[in-house]
Amino acid sequence: AQSVTQPDIHITVSEGASLELRCNYSYGATPYLFWYVQSPGQGLQLLLKYFSGDTLVQGIKGFEAEFKRSQSSFNLRKPSVHWSDAAEYFCAVGAQNNDMRFGAGTRLTVKP
Amino acid sequence: NAGVTQTPKFRVLKTGQSMTLLCAQDMNHEYMYWYRQDPGMGLRLIHYSVGEGTTAKGEVPDGYNVSRLKKQNFLLGLESAAPSQTSVYFCASSSLPVRSTDTQYFGPGTRLTVL
Repeated sequence: AQSVTQPDIHITVSEGASLELRCNYSYGATPYLFWYVQSPGQGLQLLLKYFSGDTLVQGIKGFEAEFKRSQSSFNLRKPSVHWSDAAEYFCAVGAQNNDMRFGAGTRLTVKP
Repeated sequence: NAGVTQTPKFRVLKTGQSMTLLCAQDMNHEYMYWYRQDPGMGLRLIHYSVGEGTTAKGEVPDGYNVSRLKKQNFLLGLESAAPSQTSVYFCASSSLPVRSTDTQYFGPGTRLTVL
């Protein structure tokens, strides 16, 4: 069955430091993969998505993610974190029957 | 262009009461979705619709009913609310299916508490 695992519940990084959020998926067919960001009290906003082609995808707000089929991973990265990046981040896989399976999320705290 | 809106933003119910959550989108999207978000579990799909007059079950449909009488609206109903339905509910819409190049647009959420 399709599923997404985000191993890190909470990550703290210093402002200006690099960031990597991990995501592992389980899906039998070609995965459609997404990263969303949720600020407190808000809905979800799409950061980036992968469905084919170049395995390194660029998104909004300076984020990028790399699809690695051999590792079933789709990790999110940012070279220099800003205080405004503090939020919760969700990885998701688009499955059959219009079912979007989300990970449990990783909460990012940014230290000044 | 308001995008996806949800009504109400907050609601407190007693066990056994009923209520309807309204989702409206002004993007002429065919696909609409209802999710619930619980702590530590991410979002889970309750029901979805692929067009006006259609509905289908998602991952966690029990205890909920939906209707899509108009293309722009997707209603989520709780006939007899239970404490286990305390959650934050999100509506989303898209012009194409999940497994496509399209994007889902999310509403701001409805926080529901069932006492």
